[in-house]
Amino acid sequence: EDQVTQSPEALRLQEGESSSLNCSYTVSGLRGLFWYRQDPGKGPEFLFTLYSAGEEKEKERLKATLTKKESFLHITAPKPEDSATYLCAVRRNTPLVFGKGTRLSVIA
Amino acid sequence: EAGVTQFPSHSVIEKGQTVTLRCDPISGHDNLYWYRRVMGKEIKFLLHFVKESKQDESGMPNNRFLAERTGGTYSTLKVQPAELEDSGVYFCASSQDRGQETQYFGPGTRLLVL
Repeated sequence: EDQVTQSPEALRLQEGESSSLNCSYTVSGLRGLFWYRQDPGKGPEFLFTLYSAGEEKEKERLKATLTKKESFLHITAPKPEDSATYLCAVRRNTPLVFGKGTRLSVIA
Repeated sequence: EAGVTQFPSHSVIEKGQTVTLRCDPISGHDNLYWYRRVMGKEIKFLLHFVKESKQDESGMPNNRFLAERTGGTYSTLKVQPAELEDSGVYFCASSQDRGQETQYFGPGTRLLVL
């Protein structure tokens, strides 16, 4: 059974304090690992897709990396507006399998 | 370009009543998905339409849930009769085709069954 585990469950950072979120996965025949951002009361907002080990993608202060067993979302010099829940999902067939998310709070 | 829209944004009903949720996908997207997040759990897949056909309904919890996509445009998800455990947030997502794997999500419908 496909599984996605995200850690930590919650993370509190000072503005400018860089850190990483972890997504460990178990899936046979990975056809994509997805990162989404979710703000309270809203739906998941697409950030990145990674397909193979060693792949990296960047967007503003965010950088996603992928290995054969896990993915990291690195946040460099975060700002309060980066506060959100970050969701990781994997795809083997069409449905996405989600982790529970990491709730990030960035304090000014 | 308009995103995925869902209606209503919130619904509060009593156990045993019927509720119908609606999803309008991004224009031109043949693939439409329903997901659900119950309290404290991760978002979980319910079913997948390709145009008007059900491609995969393996995540539907039981026969109280009925999804339709007449004409291959918008979709409805009916819960009849609703039970307490059906409370949660119901998300709809769409993608252009199976080769384009990014699924774009709507804002969700928050359902509370009392």
